[in-house]
Amino acid sequence: KQEVTQIPAALSVPEGENLVLNCSFTDSAIYNLQWFRQDPGKGLTSLLLIQSSQREQTSGRLNASLDKSSGRSTLYIAASQPGDSATYLCAVVSGSARQLTFGSGTQLTVLP
Amino acid sequence: GAVVSQHPSWVICKSGTSVKIECRSLDFQATTMFWYRQFPKQSLMLMATSNEGSKATYEQGVEKDKFLINHASLTLSTLTVTSAHPEDSSFYICSAIRFGGLDTDTQYFGPGTRLTVL
Repeated sequence: KQEVTQIPAALSVPEGENLVLNCSFTDSAIYNLQWFRQDPGKGLTSLLLIQSSQREQTSGRLNASLDKSSGRSTLYIAASQPGDSATYLCAVVSGSARQLTFGSGTQLTVLP
Repeated sequence: GAVVSQHPSWVICKSGTSVKIECRSLDFQATTMFWYRQFPKQSLMLMATSNEGSKATYEQGVEKDKFLINHASLTLSTLTVTSAHPEDSSFYICSAIRFGGLDTDTQYFGPGTRLTVL
């Protein structure tokens, strides 16, 4: 059974810092990996999707990398802003049923 | 494109009543839809997979008689929480996969429905 772990569970940084969020998964036979953002009481916003054949994806100040063989992904946020404060979820599609398995999230607070 | 809506966005009901939540794909057809539940400060847990025109597949531990899922058309799936109790209070989120698209492993998520059972 696929398990997804995110470290750290919470992170607080001053505005302007670059930061890295980590995600690991136990079954490396994934189809893709996705990073989401979730604001309190809201739904999910898809940030980046990396196909299993890709190594990284970039969107603005966000860069996500994937090392499928080691079961790891990182989300790099450059020049963090208070508006980046949210919970960041990592999820992978795997298995014969191609199910999406979520990590428990990293709650990010960027202090002004 | 690939917009998914949910209705209602929030609902408060009395214990023992039934609540129906709708999930619609607005600009695409979806043969497969998923229902997730999220408790406070926890991640999303898959409840069931819904395929158009057939019975839903429930995850282990999810009571199919309590959480009734109907996927009667290619754009609509409904989740009915029957005889709701306070422990059913949660954030329910649906997602859909675009039928016939190249993005067969991409789920498009609705905005969620907050259910509070008094």
